[in-house]
Amino acid sequence: EVQLVESGGGLVQPGGSLRLSCSASGFTFSSYAMHWVRQAPGKGLEYVSAISSNGVSTYYADSVKGRFTISRDNSKNTLYLQMSSLRAEDTAVYYCVKARITMIPGGYWGQGTLVTVSS
Amino acid sequence: DIQMTQSPSSLSAFVGDRVTITCQASQDISNYLNWYQQKPGKAPKLLIYDASNLETGVPSRFSGSGSGTDFTFTISSLQPEDIATYYCQQYDNLLFTFGPGTKVDIK
Repeated sequence: EVQLVESGGGLVQPGGSLRLSCSASGFTFSSYAMHWVRQAPGKGLEYVSAISSNGVSTYYADSVKGRFTISRDNSKNTLYLQMSSLRAEDTAVYYCVKARITMIPGGYWGQGTLVTVSS
Repeated sequence: DIQMTQSPSSLSAFVGDRVTITCQASQDISNYLNWYQQKPGKAPKLLIYDASNLETGVPSRFSGSGSGTDFTFTISSLQPEDIATYYCQQYDNLLFTFGPGTKVDIK
């Protein structure tokens, strides 16, 4: 059974940093691209970032480019999102998502981890 | 960037009604479109991929159609458990933008 478990969320001050992790199991992690998607409280879904299966190619939404870094450790079956220069508007539940095929996001999502940026 | 719009933003219908949601892309995305269902406090669930393909295990009352810039999502007979917000998502380019969502309620 595919499982994605996010961790690392919490309260951080504006301008601060946080690293999210997504631990994957139930599939060959190194064979699939992975994504991060976020949802601000009471708002819609916003695509954040993606990384290819081998970690070579990465993609970012304009809203996080230059501040967030996606990475993965295929030996640990873990996806990361390093977030820096955090702003109040980054407050959201962050979900990791397994690709269905190639880079295309698919049907397996984690339960999400809440990041709150506030002083 | 590809912009996605959805209409309506919300709707209310009776159990058993046919419900239709539209999604429009700002440029041609072929059939590179997902539809998701999200219930409060839960992660989104993939219902339809490639605009019209039903994800495994999803009830057949859900369907999708369209290509290019105009897409339609249909619930053929609304059930109480279908109360949720529905999102389209394009994957023609690598920014994977979502539509703003359509909230579906029971009358």
